[in-house]
Amino acid sequence: NAGVTQTPKFRILKIGQSMTLQCAQDMNHNYMYWYRQDPGMGLKLIYYSVGAGITDKGEVPNGYNVSRSTTEDFPLRLELAAPSQTSVYFCASGGVSGEQYFGPGTRLTVT
Amino acid sequence: GQQVMQIPQYQHVQEGEDFTTYCNSSTTLSNIQWYKQRPGGHPVFLIQLVKSGEVKKQKRLTFQFGEAKKNSSLHITATQTTDVGTYFCAGEWSWGKLQFGAGTQVVVTP
Repeated sequence: NAGVTQTPKFRILKIGQSMTLQCAQDMNHNYMYWYRQDPGMGLKLIYYSVGAGITDKGEVPNGYNVSRSTTEDFPLRLELAAPSQTSVYFCASGGVSGEQYFGPGTRLTVT
Repeated sequence: GQQVMQIPQYQHVQEGEDFTTYCNSSTTLSNIQWYKQRPGGHPVFLIQLVKSGEVKKQKRLTFQFGEAKKNSSLHITATQTTDVGTYFCAGEWSWGKLQFGAGTQVVVTP
């Protein structure tokens, strides 16, 4: 099992550009999440999904979009990147008892 | 909204010493989880506490959940350099959604 995988590992974007952060899990989990982590801070929930075709906003959804067409994949789309979106992005999937398994993260810089 | 506060934010420990990090919620939790994040790494699930007053141990780590299910603590005995990292608590109010604290960053000096 690869667990939760994320691509890319690093990315530099110019202001106004768009990109998609990829996330995939092979544990057949229904729940999946996107978080951002700013330096020295905890994790803030951007979006989550309780199953294919179902997504909902978290604490900080503005500037992002998600889709969940399959159980395995949960991509995060950034439209019109802004410097405030510079952060480390973690994708996670939820186990049967509610514990979460995190991917290795994507470090994004917007300049 | 729900908030989880964690103290201290930073803990500098001599190898072999004990320390405790605390987590407090503004409202009653259904459960609390603890995660560890090594420098440059991703959060890794450590444990989940569900019952009021629950105590769980993992080797040198002892986790407690308060009687009112609004606070929790993590106590590490005989700290080792492998304990370096940031420890997050995360409270769960509705199934599947966690509110993370800001974390306690632990630095261990030999």
